[in-house]
Amino acid sequence: GQNIDQPTEMTATEGAIVQINCTYQTSGFNGLFWYQQHAGEAPTFLSYNVLDGLEEKGRFSSFLSRSKGYSYLLLKELQMKDSASYLCAVLDSNYQLIWGAGTKLIIKP
Amino acid sequence: GAGVSQSPRYKVAKRGQDVALRCDPISGHVSLFWYQQALGQGPEFLTYFQNEAQLDKSGLPSDRFFAERPEGSVSTLKIQRTQQEDSAVYLCASSLAGLDTSYEQYFGPGTRLTVT
Repeated sequence: GQNIDQPTEMTATEGAIVQINCTYQTSGFNGLFWYQQHAGEAPTFLSYNVLDGLEEKGRFSSFLSRSKGYSYLLLKELQMKDSASYLCAVLDSNYQLIWGAGTKLIIKP
Repeated sequence: GAGVSQSPRYKVAKRGQDVALRCDPISGHVSLFWYQQALGQGPEFLTYFQNEAQLDKSGLPSDRFFAERPEGSVSTLKIQRTQQEDSAVYLCASSLAGLDTSYEQYFGPGTRLTVT
């Protein structure tokens, strides 16, 4: 079966750095997405990785290792508005997005 | 409009009622997706349209669920004889290109369906 694993919840302090991990087992791989979802709102796109390595975009970076079936999202200089759920999703061989359950990130002052 | 819109935002239905959920994708977007999201979970794929063609409906949980996109723009997800387990947020997303690409999906705000 297809499986995406990420921690259920994480807590971090304002101004700090946090890394949210995602491991996956899917039938094929055509890229990995990270989305941010605030409570009661739509998911919004953060990043897309299809090749191994680190993609940096401002305070957010995303890393991919295809051989390990592993990705992480790194958030720097955390702000209170970063409190949200972070969803990892893999595009499988049928180009269907397989989603993780999301990691709820709680930022404390 | 600039983004994907969905209506209604909230819907309460009595068990056994039929409901229709509307999605207006971003103008010009070829692909349209419907997802079901339970509280504290990631979205679960329901169905996919490329223009007006429904290319994948493998995620629809039962034959009570039906979706259409007759003119390749607005889409409607219909649920007949609603059951309590249908209570969830229904998300619509659109994407610029066809399925065999990695274009990001843009999501609407969702319709929260509560079946009582």
